[in-house]
Amino acid sequence: AQSVTQLDSQVPVFEEAPVELRCNYSSSVSVYLFWYVQYPNQGLQLLLKYLSGSTLVKGINGFEAEFNKSQTSFHLRKPSVHISDTAEYFCAVSVAPGGSNYKLTFGKGTLLTVNP
Amino acid sequence: DSGVTQTPKHLITATGQRVTLRCSPRSGDLSVYWYQQSLDQGLQFLIHYYNGEERAKGNILERFSAQQFPDLHSELNLSSLELGDSALYFCASSVEWGFTEAFFGQGTRLTVV
Repeated sequence: AQSVTQLDSQVPVFEEAPVELRCNYSSSVSVYLFWYVQYPNQGLQLLLKYLSGSTLVKGINGFEAEFNKSQTSFHLRKPSVHISDTAEYFCAVSVAPGGSNYKLTFGKGTLLTVNP
Repeated sequence: DSGVTQTPKHLITATGQRVTLRCSPRSGDLSVYWYQQSLDQGLQFLIHYYNGEERAKGNILERFSAQQFPDLHSELNLSSLELGDSALYFCASSVEWGFTEAFFGQGTRLTVV
């Protein structure tokens, strides 16, 4: 079974500061990794995903994440945040092809609050 | 707009009642996933259907059931509702079996009173 740990439940930052949201996963098989964002009273929107290839993946809204297999991490970063980035961010993992039970397992979420 | 449509957006009902939540996946998507989001449990996987067949079950209570119809829309049925069933229920769809690209609906907020 897979599991995801988001190390920070809340991250407050000031506008234009850099931010890193941390995510570690556990799995005995190859995985796909995702970051989703949930704005207040909305559904989840895919920010970026790692399936294979380059370990640095770029997503929407200036976010990027780096897959580190040895540390089983997939941290999300943005060099300069805006007020509009205030939202809940979820890291998620699914089994890569060849496995079974293709559910998406989510972390508990990190609430990013960007202050002026 | 993700292309996944969930109805209704809000639902308030009494304990002991039964409700049906509906999900229309994106055009061409064969997989439908249901998730429950609550403050204490976070996002919990409930069930996965692929092209009309159940493929995986998660933490879905026996009081809950789902199905995917030939036109690929899906319904989640919740019965004998309890206060603890109050949550946001999400549907997601993807074109294939695996989760390489999944799109979430806006969710149905269920309040049991």
